[in-house]
Amino acid sequence: DAGVTQSPTHLIKTRGQQVTLRCSPKSGHDTVSWYQQALGQGPQFIFQYYEEEERQRGNFPDRFSGHQFPNYSSELNVNALLLGDSALYLCASSLPSGQNEQFFGPGTRLTVL
Amino acid sequence: SQQGEEDPQALSIQEGENATMNCSYKTSINNLQWYRQNSGRGLVHLILIRSNEREKHSGRLRVTLDTSKKSSSLLITASRAADTASYFCATGGGSEKLVFGKGTKLTVNP
Repeated sequence: DAGVTQSPTHLIKTRGQQVTLRCSPKSGHDTVSWYQQALGQGPQFIFQYYEEEERQRGNFPDRFSGHQFPNYSSELNVNALLLGDSALYLCASSLPSGQNEQFFGPGTRLTVL
Repeated sequence: SQQGEEDPQALSIQEGENATMNCSYKTSINNLQWYRQNSGRGLVHLILIRSNEREKHSGRLRVTLDTSKKSSSLLITASRAADTASYFCATGGGSEKLVFGKGTKLTVNP
């Protein structure tokens, strides 16, 4: 049973550039959530996708956008990168109903120079 | 904003000892989850406890929940060097966003 996968593992960008991160959910899951984790902090919720629509959004600017595809995989896009966007970006998948576990991928480490 | 606050921020123990980490949260919850994170990589789900449960066990892990005090604790018994990691509590789950604390960094010395 494949778990949550993310690509790439590491990424280095410069300020002002744009980046796309990818996530494939755990088999059988159709809800994908994205989190940003700064060094030494707990993960912060960015947004959640279900049925190809953004269902919830955290306190992140519009520079952060996403997409979910019919096969439930998802992308996180960040435009006009800032130094402060350097972080570990985590994707989690879950079943949409009830109070269930969210399972996380290994993350993408983004460094903005 | 962070919902859960773990205590202590850092904990160092010897192999074989028990480790206890505490978590406090601010609002009413449906469930609370504990995760482990090794070396800044992905989070591993450890255990979920629902608001109507008071205690739950999984292997060497024991989680308690006190909704009247808005607190939870994670006990790891007979710790091993491989338990060295950061531990996070989080409220929410499923269709709800997870709200994490800052975590407890546990070091188990061989």
